[in-house]
Amino acid sequence: NAGVTQTPKFRVLKTGQSMTLLCAQDMNHEYMYWYRQDPGMGLRLIHYSVGEGTTAKGEVPDGYNVSRLKKQNFLLGLESAAPSQTSVYFCASSLTGGSSPLHFGNGTRLTVT
Amino acid sequence: DQQVKQNSPSLSVQEGRISILNCDYTNSMFDYFLWYKKYPAEGPTFLISISSIKDKNEDGRFTVFLNKSAKHLSLHIVPSQPGDSAVYFCAVLSSGSARQLTFGSGTQLTVLP
Repeated sequence: NAGVTQTPKFRVLKTGQSMTLLCAQDMNHEYMYWYRQDPGMGLRLIHYSVGEGTTAKGEVPDGYNVSRLKKQNFLLGLESAAPSQTSVYFCASSLTGGSSPLHFGNGTRLTVT
Repeated sequence: DQQVKQNSPSLSVQEGRISILNCDYTNSMFDYFLWYKKYPAEGPTFLISISSIKDKNEDGRFTVFLNKSAKHLSLHIVPSQPGDSAVYFCAVLSSGSARQLTFGSGTQLTVLP
């Protein structure tokens, strides 16, 4: 029972490079989320999706794009990486929105030099 | 301006004693409150939650207390065990259409054997 799987686990990028973070869930959850965690800041919502084919902006969406072409996958893209995007990225899913608990992946540590 | 504050970055407690983790929020529109626990190199996992219509919720060794007038949430762990050593995040959910979680910055709990 994999739950939420994120790839890659680690990545180093140079400023201006692009990359895509992959998230897959096998729990048939409708909602999926991308968060970033920075020291002293807790987790901040980047983008989320309430179902296949939908996406919406969270608290800190600038510099990121997302796609949810299949219900089980949620992709986070960085088109032109900046050092300020150095962070740990967590994907999460929930059965429904609202008070439904989030299930998190184990994170992707991204460093932009 | 942080809407959810965990003012203690760290807390150390002896095994067998009580751990009390605190969380303050500013917005009275928050109506559901959750605690997540995070081990190193893993994603957060849901621990316990409480609705604004209650003032206490208990699950085994974990109890969450809600003081709405003071806009204060606390998590009590009794008795504390070394395996409880982790970062604890409180998270709050606002009422209304945009029901997204807002996380605090976390408290590192260390339970000393």
